[in-house]
Amino acid sequence: GAGVSQSPRYKVAKRGQDVALRCDPISGHVSLFWYQQALGQGPEFLTYFQNEAQLDKSGLPSDRFFAERPEGSVSTLKIQRTQQEDSAVYLCASSPQGEYGYTFGSGTRLTVV
Amino acid sequence: AQSVTQLDSHVSVSEGTPVLLRCNYSSSYSPSLFWYVQHPNKGLQLLLKYTSAATLVKGINGFEAEFKKSETSFHLTKPSAHMSDAAEYFCVVSYYDMRFGAGTRLTVKP
Repeated sequence: GAGVSQSPRYKVAKRGQDVALRCDPISGHVSLFWYQQALGQGPEFLTYFQNEAQLDKSGLPSDRFFAERPEGSVSTLKIQRTQQEDSAVYLCASSPQGEYGYTFGSGTRLTVV
Repeated sequence: AQSVTQLDSHVSVSEGTPVLLRCNYSSSYSPSLFWYVQHPNKGLQLLLKYTSAATLVKGINGFEAEFKKSETSFHLTKPSAHMSDAAEYFCVVSYYDMRFGAGTRLTVKP
């Protein structure tokens, strides 16, 4: 597609509910990142994929967070047993191989009530 | 380890006056540096990037930034602010991932 597509655009979850956030990167982009942006803060790194390989998941805040990219294109960020502190905008970004600077999606705003 | 510090959380200028948004970086490697802009309820847009070519980098919408290794700085400037420049600006340092600063909110007064 023309850009990085994220869905849903907004998600309201009850505390304890599981959620799945989808990222559809630009076709052919090898690198894919997930970021978490809390209100009034800069994006914080969560995890990084190169094709289907998850090379870095050091930013995932707890074992309730899980990301996958099984076929090296679409990625899903799953959050189990959501908590209020998970409320944030979750951003996905992708880039071609060896390119600096990434194209970001519009994000998914997650609100846990 | 790499990180960036944006020295001002909020900058306010009058329309038509210069803009200066300050950023210092820390990196164990030769860094790639970026500025992104985020308008309210919009996605992040790349303004410009430095990847060890020219130290003065020109970006979109009249913005530019100068890489100064001796000062570990990468400040963003624009000669004349426009109302549409009002947004949140993020300085970013990258090795393979991207580490964001906390952001600077730019307000432009008429």
